[in-house]
Amino acid sequence: GQNIDQPTEMTATEGAIVQINCTYQTSGFNGLFWYQQHAGEAPTFLSYNVLDGLEEKGRFSSFLSRSKGYSYLLLKELQMKDSASYLCAVSGGSTLGRLYFGRGTQLTVWP
Amino acid sequence: EAQVTQNPRYLITVTGKKLTVTCSQNMNHEYMSWYRQDPGLGLRQIYYSMNVEVTDKGDVPEGYKVSRKEKRNFPLILESPSPNQTSLYFCASSLGQGAQPQHFGDGTRLSIL
Repeated sequence: GQNIDQPTEMTATEGAIVQINCTYQTSGFNGLFWYQQHAGEAPTFLSYNVLDGLEEKGRFSSFLSRSKGYSYLLLKELQMKDSASYLCAVSGGSTLGRLYFGRGTQLTVWP
Repeated sequence: EAQVTQNPRYLITVTGKKLTVTCSQNMNHEYMSWYRQDPGLGLRQIYYSMNVEVTDKGDVPEGYKVSRKEKRNFPLILESPSPNQTSLYFCASSLGQGAQPQHFGDGTRLSIL
């Protein structure tokens, strides 16, 4: 079956760096996404990895190792507004049309 | 403005009364999908469509129907809603499957009594 694991909760302080890990086992693989979801709002796209390595986009970076079924999202210079749920999602399935989400990591940033 | 529009945003209804949640996108996207989000379970895919007249089941299709007669619209139909379908529902679209990020609607909160 499909399995996407990420920690349920994390906390950090403003200005710090936090790494949110995601491990996955899926049939078919067409890339891994990270989304941010603030309470009561829709998810918004943060990053996409399909090849191994690090993708950097401003304060956010995402890493992928396909052989290990592992990804992480790195958030630098944390701000209060980064308090949100971070969702790891894998595109795959037999038709590559499926999108499997992890349960999300609730990040709380303290002043 | 590029967007995915869901209606209604909120609905309280009773068991067995058929309902439809509409979803429309104005970005000419081929791929559309429905998800439900429940506490502790995350987002789970209900149905998806890779193009007009092509739909496929996701993780939790039981009790739901969809149709894709036009590219822009992808309604979610609950023929006989039950309380276990009380949830927050999101519609999303993307240029294509796989490597394209999903654009989500604002969500529909359904309560089935």
